[in-house]
Amino acid sequence: DQQVKQNSPSLSVQEGRISILNCDYTNSMFDYFLWYKKYPAEGPTFLISISSIKDKNEDGRFTVFLNKSAKHLSLHIVPSQPGDSAVYFCAANTDRGSTLGRLYFGRGTQLTVWP
Amino acid sequence: DSGVTQTPKHLITATGQRVTLRCSPRSGDLSVYWYQQSLDQGLQFLIQYYNGEERAKGNILERFSAQQFPDLHSELNLSSLELGDSALYFCASSFSGRSDNEQFFGPGTRLTVL
Repeated sequence: DQQVKQNSPSLSVQEGRISILNCDYTNSMFDYFLWYKKYPAEGPTFLISISSIKDKNEDGRFTVFLNKSAKHLSLHIVPSQPGDSAVYFCAANTDRGSTLGRLYFGRGTQLTVWP
Repeated sequence: DSGVTQTPKHLITATGQRVTLRCSPRSGDLSVYWYQQSLDQGLQFLIQYYNGEERAKGNILERFSAQQFPDLHSELNLSSLELGDSALYFCASSFSGRSDNEQFFGPGTRLTVL
């Protein structure tokens, strides 16, 4: 069962514009949400995270928004740069239950930023 | 460089064989996770160890097993390999294993079963 969903497999954005990547989840027990970025032939790299008690977290060009009532989060990248072209994974985890700390991943969105 | 190392980088083997994938966590990290990424699936959690003990299990097949050694490195053993086991296998580590601890991923081992 896919508890974290990224419904857009790809997104193409012009350099300098905003990139918005979306993610939905079904498990209301998730405590923490993370975004990872992955280049080909490399492992995922942590980008930014947000606790379930917050609705926004910002780090430089990257901002993550969390809407708990809609079970939806989004990653905004402003301004987008060609080096941002990668696969972005949304992930979530919880300290409750038997699966402490394990990450539930979406299937990823391929972001392409063109000049 | 995340500080997590995985060997080998690539592995090609035949059906029915057994392989061992190795992972060294970041210095100071006590928790190790194994994930599988197949072509048609996202990253799927397999198993987690914390300070030598199994802590959580995901969709790990009975043909697969893992362990974490006293020096905290971990090995994932895959046996009676099938074509469908071909995938990227990632190891990740974190300090405590709690949800607010970022997980650092290794570069992965690409397993091809022919």
